[in-house]
Amino acid sequence: ETGVTQTPRHLVMGMTNKKSLKCEQHLGHNAMYWYKQSAKKPLELMFVYSLEERVENNSVPSRFSPECPNSSHLFLHLHTLQPEDSALYLCASSQEGLQGNTEAFFGQGTRLTVV
Amino acid sequence: AQSVAQPEDQVNVAEGNPLTVKCTYSVSGNPYLFWYVQYPNRGLQFLLKYITGDNLVKGSYGFEAEFNKSQTSFHLKKPSALVSDSALYFCAVRPRGRNSTLTFGKGTMLLVSP
Repeated sequence: ETGVTQTPRHLVMGMTNKKSLKCEQHLGHNAMYWYKQSAKKPLELMFVYSLEERVENNSVPSRFSPECPNSSHLFLHLHTLQPEDSALYLCASSQEGLQGNTEAFFGQGTRLTVV
Repeated sequence: AQSVAQPEDQVNVAEGNPLTVKCTYSVSGNPYLFWYVQYPNRGLQFLLKYITGDNLVKGSYGFEAEFNKSQTSFHLKKPSALVSDSALYFCAVRPRGRNSTLTFGKGTMLLVSP
């Protein structure tokens, strides 16, 4: 276990549903991330939260909405998704300092299927 | 813009033989470099990183990586492969400085045959 827990592990949802992915880190880190992993593509960084403030949003569609209520929890709220949004969604955390040389720790991911 | 290239979709090697998984990058300045491994149905697991100093970095599970500044490469190596090393390997790069982010390659599948 890496200290980053994601729930649920698997999710099947219709295009009109609303669901949320949850991530919790037990490492005392100050930054959390959402990534999207699709087959044969590089990992796509979706959102970054540093000290509970969003610092990056890489042109992600508004049907994905992140929430970071505290430094240990991160949510990804989903609504009116498309089939092409089916992917593995990975949460990660890191302890950020001035240098930026720290590695990220990843959760096991949520396998999302949109039908 | 920063980018990472992993030119091989798949690398096949027999158990006991040395392995190399290639990675080249395009980033201005002197970035930090990382390797991660992903086993089936799992998240990414950190293997090793290059920050500064010795060009040969040693990491988990007997893996090492060689940084070559002139070739902008950071190839992953292991002297003797194990079947259990079969997994998806990701190279990543991160510019120096606070609030920089990781950029990943598309991954290379390593298959080690008995």
